[in-house]
Amino acid sequence: DIQMTQSPSSLSASVGDRITITCRASQSISRFLNWYQQKSGKAPNLLIYAASSLQSGVPSRFSGSGSGTDFTLTISSLQPEDFATYYCQQNYSTTYTFGQGTKLEIK
Amino acid sequence: QVTLKESGPVLVKPTETLTLTCTVSGFSLSNARMGVSWIRQPPGKALEWLAHIFSNDEKSYSTSLKNRLTISKDTSKSQVVLTMTNMDPVDTATYYCARLLSDGYNYNYFDYWGQGALVAVSS
Repeated sequence: DIQMTQSPSSLSASVGDRITITCRASQSISRFLNWYQQKSGKAPNLLIYAASSLQSGVPSRFSGSGSGTDFTLTISSLQPEDFATYYCQQNYSTTYTFGQGTKLEIK
Repeated sequence: QVTLKESGPVLVKPTETLTLTCTVSGFSLSNARMGVSWIRQPPGKALEWLAHIFSNDEKSYSTSLKNRLTISKDTSKSQVVLTMTNMDPVDTATYYCARLLSDGYNYNYFDYWGQGALVAVSS
């Protein structure tokens, strides 16, 4: 299976900060990479698909980049509602593995 | 309006078999661009993908769990069923079903999720 590794595992930041989360695949996955946001007690919500395409309704402060094995999710100016856990997920192979998550907390 | 809803037991005993049902609405399980996966999340831990069924009835399973999992669907009832055998306390988790949408460029993503069903494994 393709392994997905996120860093950092947790991150403290303030409202208005710009943050970046990294996801690395154990083999090249082209641009077959999605990002999800999960708030406590809720199902995940799709943010970015195909590495950099913004899902409809998602604010433009979220952006994704990368290809091959290295990907990033950037939030340009953190808002209070952005404090959550973020997961990457590959769809290059049909065993759709997730990263271990990055918990974004308020500093 | 697309919805998915998980149903099944809240509590199972060790060694028992878990059967979960995902009932979908707003789309057809025969739509070639859509499939359904099961994903679980132990309390306080990460998401773990378990199994997927495609519109043509092809299936895919997590390598680490495939000996214990079976996924199937009944298109007429709009239901996807997951069975997991030999349950253990470490299988305690919230189990989600999610729709996988394929866009026109072979990119696939989980665009709709159920609310999740918490299953505890205990004697």
